[in-house]
Amino acid sequence: NAGVTQTPKFQVLKTGQSMTLQCAQDMNHNSMYWYRQDPGMGLRLIYYSASEGTTDKGEVPNGYNVSRLNKREFSLRLESAAPSQTSVYFCASSEIAGADEQYFGPGTRLTVT
Amino acid sequence: AQSVTQPDIHITVSEGASLELRCNYSYGATPYLFWYVQSPGQGLQLLLKYFSGDTLVQGIKGFEAEFKRSQSSFNLRKPSVHWSDAAEYFCAVAPGSNNNDMRFGAGTRLTVKP
Repeated sequence: NAGVTQTPKFQVLKTGQSMTLQCAQDMNHNSMYWYRQDPGMGLRLIYYSASEGTTDKGEVPNGYNVSRLNKREFSLRLESAAPSQTSVYFCASSEIAGADEQYFGPGTRLTVT
Repeated sequence: AQSVTQPDIHITVSEGASLELRCNYSYGATPYLFWYVQSPGQGLQLLLKYFSGDTLVQGIKGFEAEFKRSQSSFNLRKPSVHWSDAAEYFCAVAPGSNNNDMRFGAGTRLTVKP
């Protein structure tokens, strides 16, 4: 099992460009999450999907959109990238949307110039 | 909303020495508590978690943590540190009924001296 995979690993964008970060899990988990990690701030939840067909905002959703394409895949889209979105983005999944362990992908390092 | 404080940004210990990483949380009830570890360039891996019951929980890689309700703390310990333990450690808190609102501390970076 690959666990949680993310593409791309690295990306450089210019201000105003758009892009989609892809995430897939092969553990048959119901819940999926997108976090951003910034120095000195830990991880902050952007959006989550408690189950297939549902998505909800997390702590820092502004400037992002998500799609739960199917049970396996959960994508994060930046419509018009800004320098403040320079960060490392992590996707995670868990079996249920309860107090359950989350499994993390390797991350995508995004730089917006 | 709940919050998590990890007071130590960076800790250096000698290999073989004991380790304690501090975590304090702010929440009205007893939350679900987690410790994750992140090696350079990697995602996070769960070390251990506390939901209820025995306040001393054992995790992987020889780590343990103790929940102290009176101090709102969930400190991580290891009796003897190995060079491979060098990493960043994150404490996390979830409300208990829904970990979609999980909050992470800022992290503590551990350096291990030979």
